[in-house]
Amino acid sequence: DSGVTQTPKHLITATGQRVTLRCSPRSGDLSVYWYQQSLDQGLQFLIQYYNGEERAKGNILERFSAQQFPDLHSELNLSSLELGDSALYFCASSVGQNTQYFGPGTRLTVL
Amino acid sequence: GNSVTQMEGPVTLSEEAFLTINCTYTATGYPSLFWYVQYPGEGLQLLLKATKADDKGSNKGFEATYRKETTSFHLEKGSVQVSDSAVYFCALSPLSGGTSYGKLTFGQGTILTVHP
Repeated sequence: DSGVTQTPKHLITATGQRVTLRCSPRSGDLSVYWYQQSLDQGLQFLIQYYNGEERAKGNILERFSAQQFPDLHSELNLSSLELGDSALYFCASSVGQNTQYFGPGTRLTVL
Repeated sequence: GNSVTQMEGPVTLSEEAFLTINCTYTATGYPSLFWYVQYPGEGLQLLLKATKADDKGSNKGFEATYRKETTSFHLEKGSVQVSDSAVYFCALSPLSGGTSYGKLTFGQGTILTVHP
């Protein structure tokens, strides 16, 4: 158990819908990262937050957004969902820029 | 930009065989290097890491040495077990600076299957 929690574990929704994925980092970790794992793209970095502020951005679509709250948990919002958004979404946390510890992931299926 | 290349898989071995999974990287400066493992139906677990040239990371019988001259971080284990069956990912993280600061860049993953 890495200490990073993600909810929900599975999510099934329809095209065009909007979903919110939640992540709670390890106690004391200020950085939260979001990654997408798909069969065709592999593991791709989406976005990083540090103590509530956006720190780095990767291949994140404009339909996707994220935020980190004062209690340091983070949410990833995915809107206007398409079939190609079906993937595993991982959250990771770290102390500063050190080793990242991953949550169990949320499997999103868009039908 | 930064990139990581892993050997093509899948890799199938018999129990107690020697394992090598090759990983090479392209990055500016001196990134930190990692191996993560993903067991079926689970998230990514940190297996080992190295933060500077010639460092050797080790854990659970797995080892990898940070080779700056060959830009490599090959994963090895002397005697694999059935329980080692998983997907292994090599990754790098830049030390500092720029918009890639903090993010992990992963290789494509190598599926390892160990038979009894």
